[in-house]
Order: sequence, then C-alpha cells, then structure tokens
Amino acid sequence: AQTVTQSQPEMSVQEAETVTLSCTYDTSESDYYLFWYKQPPSRQMILVIRQEAYKQQNATENRFSVNFQKAAKSFSLKISDSQLGDAAMYFCAYEDYGGSQGNLIFGKGTKLSVKP
Amino acid sequence: ETGVTQTPRHLVMGMTNKKSLKCEQHLGHNAMYWYKQSAKKPLELMFVYNFKEQTENNSVPSRFSPECPNSSHLFLHLHTLQPEDSALYLCASSQSVAESSYEQYFGPGTRLTVT
Repeated sequence: AQTVTQSQPEMSVQEAETVTLSCTYDTSESDYYLFWYKQPPSRQMILVIRQEAYKQQNATENRFSVNFQKAAKSFSLKISDSQLGDAAMYFCAYEDYGGSQGNLIFGKGTKLSVKP
Repeated sequence: ETGVTQTPRHLVMGMTNKKSLKCEQHLGHNAMYWYKQSAKKPLELMFVYNFKEQTENNSVPSRFSPECPNSSHLFLHLHTLQPEDSALYLCASSQSVAESSYEQYFGPGTRLTVT
C-alpha cells in the first residue's frame, strides 16, 4: 500500500525568507501524481501545487516550487519570500494514475508558522 | 454561493442520535468525496461518488451512510456513533474521477463531536 510521510510536524520561518517542507512516499507504481495542499486556520483546504511523476521538470507556482526526486521518492515544497498568509497546515498527497481514481493518500501534515 | 459548502459547520451529538451532514458544490463537478480528518492522523478518504454512483468505500463502518442524490449534493448520515468518530469531516468535489487526476476542491468541513 502507498504511504506518505511528512517528518516535520511543525516548521517556522521568518517573513520574506525561504522554507522547505519535506515529504517522502512509498509506492511500487511508476505513474502517479503528487500534490501539496494548504489548509489555513479557516480550514478550507486548497491545492498549492501538483506534479506528474512522468514529468522530470519540477513544478512551480509563483513562490511555490517542488523538488521532485523520483528515485528517492522525495517531494519537498519550497516556499520563497514567505508571507504571513502562508501560515497553515501543509499536506503532501499521493494519487495513483489509473488505480483507485480520486483516492488521495495524505501525509499527517506540517504546521508552518510565519514570524513577522 | 460558490465553491463547496458544508452544513452544519459544527455538530455535537450523543451516541444514540441520528444526524446528517450536507455538502453542496457549485462548480459543475461530477465527483464528490467524504474525508475524515482526525487530530494527528492523516486525512482519510471515506467515500467517493462519480456521476452519483459510489465508486469507493474505504472500509467505513456502517454507522456512516452516504447518499448522493445528484452530482451537486452529498450527504453523510450518522447513527449510533462512537466518541472516536469525533473529527472534522471534509467534503470535496472534482470534475470527475478519471485516469487523469483532477484537482479536488474542498469544503470548510463539519466539526463533529460525539458525546
């Protein structure tokens, strides 16, 4: 069974600085998707960034980028120029391609605090 | 209203009560999901509906009963719950369930407390 591990329960970053959140996963599949979701204190979860396993290029979305290391099964999220609004729980998630469609497997999350 | 809405936002119920959680999506999506979010545990998928048909039941106890009357509405009927069922229940929707993954849009959740 696939698993997702986020080894950092909490992280802290100074405003305007850069922080990297770690995620590792375990799968025997070669095709899959990886996601980072953000859940602010108001609780509505939103998608931050998504990566298809078959793409070697790391995904980027404005200040958010990932470091996808397929062989190492690692998928870290880098937040540049951190802002107060980035404070939230961040969840790494995995989804099979063509398997149990729609079945996202989540990690336990990392709580990110941003200091002014 | 836009996006995915859930009612009620908070619910306290006794173990012998029957209650229902409601989810509505205004995005024109065809797939809807129920998740359970417990403290210090990963988000757990409970049920998936695609075009009103249940496509996934993740070994959920029968005291949780989902209902999807149409693609815009999803209910979770609760009866004889246990205290360990206390959690945040999240609803999500996506364009559909397909080989090519579609983004899931989440609602704000219902905070359920079972006393």
